[in-house]
Amino acid sequence: GAGVSQSPSNKVTEKGKDVELRCDPISGHTALYWYRQRLGQGLEFLIYFQGNSAPDKSGLPSDRFSAERTGESVSTLTIQRTQQEDSAVYLCASSLTKLAAYEQYFGPGTRLTVT
Amino acid sequence: KQEVTQIPAALSVPEGENLVLNCSFTDSAIYNLQWFRQDPGKGLTSLLLIQSSQREQTSGRLNASLDKSSGRSTLYIAASQPGDSATYLCAVYGNKLVFGAGTILRVKS
Repeated sequence: GAGVSQSPSNKVTEKGKDVELRCDPISGHTALYWYRQRLGQGLEFLIYFQGNSAPDKSGLPSDRFSAERTGESVSTLTIQRTQQEDSAVYLCASSLTKLAAYEQYFGPGTRLTVT
Repeated sequence: KQEVTQIPAALSVPEGENLVLNCSFTDSAIYNLQWFRQDPGKGLTSLLLIQSSQREQTSGRLNASLDKSSGRSTLYIAASQPGDSATYLCAVYGNKLVFGAGTILRVKS
């Protein structure tokens, strides 16, 4: 079946521009997660959604980052006024629910480069 | 704050060897632990998930163990193959999934 998909796969943007990254979770998965992976570093948790609500936004690095989810499906991560330190691979994952018993399935990621 | 450490950071072995990757975590209050594989330019593939009540999980040539009280997990790969070359990530789930930095594995043919 279809897995988690993300678009675009690669994005190059100029410093100061806004970008939107999209995630399509596995159909029926109510929990959705965003992570960031900087070059040579581990994954950092950014935010998760249960349904369309985001109970935990603690991982968002600054107020330039925001995310929304609609229809308990597609999610968009928006970065405003991008900075060079935002360059990273942004990974999205989904799971059946937020309960820890369920595995998270990851998308291929969006590689963001801020020049 | 949960911290996850993976040792070694990199490993290079000849084809056919059995090998062990190590993962340690500081807070034993976890629900589960997951091992992932990441190939260059690609997303993560879940390999094994061990619930906190379990001691180990096996899938094919992979075996993962969990000792929650000591904060340790190992991933055992039997009869390694060049196709096993990838970065292996350990992640623990408390109130969120916290990842280690990974072990870069290269299996030489």
